Amino acid sequence: ETGVTQTPRHLVMGMTNKKSLKCEQHLGHNAMYWYKQSAKKPLELMFVYSLEERVENNSVPSRFSPECPNSSHLFLHLHTLQPEDSALYLCASSQDFLREGGETQYFGPGTRLLVL
Amino acid sequence: GESVGLHLPTLSVQEGDNSIINCAYSNSASDYFIWYKQESGKGPQFIIDIRSNMDKRQGQRVTVLLNKTVKHLSLQIAATQPGDSAVYFCAENQNTGRRALTFGSGTRLQVQP
Repeated sequence: ETGVTQTPRHLVMGMTNKKSLKCEQHLGHNAMYWYKQSAKKPLELMFVYSLEERVENNSVPSRFSPECPNSSHLFLHLHTLQPEDSALYLCASSQDFLREGGETQYFGPGTRLLVL
Repeated sequence: GESVGLHLPTLSVQEGDNSIINCAYSNSASDYFIWYKQESGKGPQFIIDIRSNMDKRQGQRVTVLLNKTVKHLSLQIAATQPGDSAVYFCAENQNTGRRALTFGSGTRLQVQP
């Protein structure tokens, strides 16, 4: 389907659990992103990484902790989440992070998260 | 504010008709635009893009039109098929130093057989 994969595809967790979402891109890109997609809301950017360094953080609560060990992998560690954090979490990648003239972002299939 | 907005949340068309999905943007400095298609249970899929030095770009059955004067973007789908049923997003590079695209809220396209 695309060169960006995400696991797991579905996740149910309690508010006291700790879990991690994984993203892997096979496109040789240098930038990776986490987005949150809630019902009837535009995509919300959470984090941007370029060459393993975080270059943007959109004031995301500390209960979400990203990790980028190399340019192909991106993790989102979750702990003590709230029910309102239930959403589709999307990973994306692009050749480089956004610059003048634009960069196409390619998305993974997402992880559907339900927090009970 | 700086946002990408969509005129219609839901568009219903007959199979075989042409579809037009519209998008308004507010930042005149935006220089790159993308249309994405998101089917149920899937991530957004790239359809077509256009840079601000162009007014029109065509792909297979899709055409994107850019009107910079009124800051309007549209996606035209020719001979709409049931497989085109999805949510369509426009996204823009606003050139504000932000490191990612800015997305609209989406329009749901329903194709009636």
